[in-house]
Amino acid sequence: EPEVTQTPSHQVTQMGQEVILRCVPISNHLYFYWYRQILGQKVEFLVSFYNNEISEKSEIFDDQFSVERPDGSNFTLKIRSTKLEDSAMYFCASSEGSGRYEITDTQYFGPGTRLTVL
Amino acid sequence: AQKITQTQPGMFVQEKEAVTLDCTYDTSDQSYGLFWYKQPSSGEMIFLIYQGSYDEQNATEGRYSLNFQKARKSANLVISASQLGDSAMYFCAMREGPWGGKLIFGQGTELSVKP
Repeated sequence: EPEVTQTPSHQVTQMGQEVILRCVPISNHLYFYWYRQILGQKVEFLVSFYNNEISEKSEIFDDQFSVERPDGSNFTLKIRSTKLEDSAMYFCASSEGSGRYEITDTQYFGPGTRLTVL
Repeated sequence: AQKITQTQPGMFVQEKEAVTLDCTYDTSDQSYGLFWYKQPSSGEMIFLIYQGSYDEQNATEGRYSLNFQKARKSANLVISASQLGDSAMYFCAMREGPWGGKLIFGQGTELSVKP
């Protein structure tokens, strides 16, 4: 069964360093997303990406964040200068997307990357 | 105002019994989707069940069913015949619009299944 994959599973970095989190969405999906979950809290939306551009972003997704689809399979989230408060689990998700109302457009999540900023 | 409200931070259920996890939502959109995800202690987010705003019947997926009451804006998850492996965090989420939109999550309910 197709699944979303993410690497690395755990990333430890020093405050102020740049990190790149990588994701491979499900191959026939058109929408890609990043979410984060601070330990013990709910899952928060960061950004969605469709047709090679950002379709929506949250207030959290400031100038320190960027996303890219560098090739036909990978989808990356870059944090330019990490802060302590960026420590969280980062989830990538993808969905099929369609013009048909009857499909669910379920978002399938990857296993997450746990980012620890020291 | 909260878009998704899960009022039960923690729930206990005896193995083999049924349990209902509550979720209420708030939206002015006519087209939206409601989802439940399971997050075990290992951390991954597992999709369980979906209910569309236009669906007239309650969704079912194996032991999971969704009690959808549109007028009350509630989408409760019912797990029948609980198993020890059901112990996890459960999140209710909503997508406003027909497709491609972000998911808005509730705070989650931690379910513990007792043997």
